[in-house]
Amino acid sequence: KNEVEQSPQNLTAQEGEFITINCSYSVGISALHWLQQHPGGGIVSLFMLSSGKKKHGRLIATINIQEKHSSLHITASHPRDSAVYICAVNQGAQKLVFGQGTRLTINP
Amino acid sequence: DTGVSQDPRHKITKRGQNVTFRCDPISEHNRLYWYRQTLGQGPEFLTYFQNEAQLEKSRLLSDRFSAERPKGSFSTLEIQRTEQGDSAMYLCASSRTDLGNQPQHFGDGTRLSIL
Repeated sequence: KNEVEQSPQNLTAQEGEFITINCSYSVGISALHWLQQHPGGGIVSLFMLSSGKKKHGRLIATINIQEKHSSLHITASHPRDSAVYICAVNQGAQKLVFGQGTRLTINP
Repeated sequence: DTGVSQDPRHKITKRGQNVTFRCDPISEHNRLYWYRQTLGQGPEFLTYFQNEAQLEKSRLLSDRFSAERPKGSFSTLEIQRTEQGDSAMYLCASSRTDLGNQPQHFGDGTRLSIL
């Protein structure tokens, strides 16, 4: 069993829909990250959080430390949101352990 | 802040050849990480440096792999006697530790294809 599990693995939605991607982890963490990866490989950090909730534009990330679960929400989704979204956790302050990623496709 | 730079972006080589990749981190970042990502999977940790010291290496890093960060700035990752299973995206990331736990900044990666 992977230490970081994401669901769903693939998600297709229509423009404007509310999107939720889930992440569960089984190890102790110091922080959880949500990352975005576009075709071609570049990875961008969206959020780093260790408790509660963060919001940036149409993106919202929440984490429940007791349940070892995090969600990434996208409101009013747009085709430019199409990408792979990756959940990763810090064990200590060092390396990241990654989930498999969720491939999101938003159709116009 | 020019971001993390990786070179080359793509490398195609024959099985058995040696390859070397370079990563230039963000200048004030003292930590540098190497990850490997195969198609359809999330990245996997390979190794990381704090300044010039290599502090951890994954079991994925066989003896054909070696990484250096000689002056605590840029880093190189060398793969000797490449095998088809080495085909992957090799990602570099950097971060700073003087402000506590900080996000890692990623380069665009080097895509390695072994023929």
